[in-house]
Amino acid sequence: QKEVEQNSGPLSVPEGAIASLNCTYSDRGSQSFFWYRQYSGKSPELIMSIYSNGDKEDGRFTAQLNKASQYVSLLIRDSQPSDSATYLCAVNPLRAGGGADGLTFGKGTHLIIQP
Amino acid sequence: DAGITQSPRHKVTETGTPVTLRCHQTENHRYMYWYRQDPGHGLRLIHYSYGVKDTDKGEVSDGYSVSRSKTEDFLLTLESATSSQTSVYFCAISESPEGEQFFGPGTRLTVL
Repeated sequence: QKEVEQNSGPLSVPEGAIASLNCTYSDRGSQSFFWYRQYSGKSPELIMSIYSNGDKEDGRFTAQLNKASQYVSLLIRDSQPSDSATYLCAVNPLRAGGGADGLTFGKGTHLIIQP
Repeated sequence: DAGITQSPRHKVTETGTPVTLRCHQTENHRYMYWYRQDPGHGLRLIHYSYGVKDTDKGEVSDGYSVSRSKTEDFLLTLESATSSQTSVYFCAISESPEGEQFFGPGTRLTVL
């Protein structure tokens, strides 16, 4: 069974510090990886996608992927109170015969940025 | 939201009644998905579509059916709603099966 694991938190980080969110996945054939932010009562909002090993930076966000360790992380620099939300890790597993059929999500990490 | 709407946004219904949720997109994306989100379970895939009239089951498809008669609309039907189908339902779209998925605003469904 394809699984994505995240620490549910809450993860409390002081304003201005770096928030580090982690995710592991079970399907070694997974080919694309995403981080979504979800505010309470709202829909998931895509903030980062990563497809190859290494780091990808976009503004204050950096996604890191290590396929050998089956590990994805998200760093948020200069954390702001508005970053307080639930962060969802999502993995796109490879289907037998190729193609993909939807995302497998972790249950999310609740992040709190303390002013 | 990337040109995705869902209707209705809220619905309360009774056990045993049929319910249809609609997802409409203006992005002309080929792939569309229905997920449900429940406390303790996260987001789970119900059904997806890879083109007009082309659909397939996801992880939690029992009790649900879908239809896609045109690119922009993807319908999710609960033939006979049960209390276990009380959830928040999200539609998502993508240009490719491995690409980024963008979510609609969601429908909160309560089955009494």
